[in-house]
Amino acid sequence: GIQVEQSPPDLILQEGANSTLRCNFSDSVNNLQWFHQNPWGQLINLFYIPSGTKQNGRLSATTVATERYSLLYISSSQTTDSGVYFCAVLPNYGGSQGNLIFGKGTKLSVKP
Amino acid sequence: SAVISQKPSRDICQRGTSLTIQCQVDSQVTMMFWYRQQPGQSLTLIATANQGSEATYESGFVIDKFPISRPNLTFSTLTVSNMSPEDSSIYLCSVRQLLTGELFFGEGSRLTVL
Repeated sequence: GIQVEQSPPDLILQEGANSTLRCNFSDSVNNLQWFHQNPWGQLINLFYIPSGTKQNGRLSATTVATERYSLLYISSSQTTDSGVYFCAVLPNYGGSQGNLIFGKGTKLSVKP
Repeated sequence: SAVISQKPSRDICQRGTSLTIQCQVDSQVTMMFWYRQQPGQSLTLIATANQGSEATYESGFVIDKFPISRPNLTFSTLTVSNMSPEDSSIYLCSVRQLLTGELFFGEGSRLTVL
């Protein structure tokens, strides 16, 4: 099956710094999503981005489907950005009824 | 996006008991799923909850351990049966938007088994 690899696994930032999180996937996908899991365990949708670039405030994401990777950019990080960031993909071979496959996540800690 | 409510949000359970988690969606959805997240791990799909028929389980998950009901298009339950400490996890209900395939999650139910 498809492999989803996220890097780095852990990241510590000083408040105000910028960062880039990466998601590589081993096969073509119909769908790619980025999630933020806050310290209370809630999963928050950040981006639905099977291709192209999107921006939402301090966050932006780019997916290059032909090269099988996606990037999540966090600018001017804040302590509330702390948590785990997950990339999840829907493989092409599953069609619309397939299941999202999650990466192992990047754990981000933003220090004041 | 749909609003997904789960309860309980957390519970502490004794070994050998069973607990049922409820998931309520504020609109009719076709596809509902249950995921498990063990401590420090990523999310793993348990099963697809099918309306009016038996759930479709992923490899490693069986109906006797994780019975699922879905009586209508807005409600589902997951039961964790005969619990052991290894079942301590966050259990999450999710729904998929039909047109785009985007997945949304409930708040999760954090279970601790003693």
